[in-house]
Amino acid sequence: GNSVTQMEGPVTLSEEAFLTINCTYTATGYPSLFWYVQYPGEGLQLLLKATKADDKGSNKGFEATYRKETTSFHLEKGSVQVSDSAVYFCALRVQGAQKLVFGQGTRLTINP
Amino acid sequence: GAVVSQHPSWVICKSGTSVKIECRSLDFQATTMFWYRQFPKQSLMLMATSNEGSKATYEQGVEKDKFLINHASLTLSTLTVTSAHPEDSSFYICSAPEALANSPLHFGNGTRLTVT
Repeated sequence: GNSVTQMEGPVTLSEEAFLTINCTYTATGYPSLFWYVQYPGEGLQLLLKATKADDKGSNKGFEATYRKETTSFHLEKGSVQVSDSAVYFCALRVQGAQKLVFGQGTRLTINP
Repeated sequence: GAVVSQHPSWVICKSGTSVKIECRSLDFQATTMFWYRQFPKQSLMLMATSNEGSKATYEQGVEKDKFLINHASLTLSTLTVTSAHPEDSSFYICSAPEALANSPLHFGNGTRLTVT
């Protein structure tokens, strides 16, 4: 079946540190890949996406590259800020479908 | 950009009562909406797919008589938790896709339900 696996959290970093949150997937065909962010008490917001192999999604300093050969979509940011503290979800959508399959989420805390 | 509005943002109710949660697409039409449930510090679990003008499709293990879904128009879907019990306490989130191919899902801000 289709599934998404994220690195377990929580992740705690200092401000300006480099961030990587690993995400790998299993899917039939060629899924679209997404990163969503959830701030405390809120719903999910789309952070970035990639729809085909080698695409790089980027937004607010975050980046992720769709790697078909390693079935990965790792999230990176060069210098994190306190305001980046949130829960991050990796997700996939199988071609032709509308619903998302989510990873378990990674809670990120950035200390000043 | 496209917005999904969910109401209420939080609700406290007594055991045995029913609670209705609304999900509206504000500037686009949504023939399909998705209802998710999120337990503390856990991922989102898809409960059901709401289809405008027809019956909802429930995921395995979700009680359709417990979680009533109505998608009466192209911009509104409702989830009613019937005869709520403390174990129904959770964070419920709706989402809706735009009609464009490869468009992302837009999420509501969620509803925190506490059953006492």
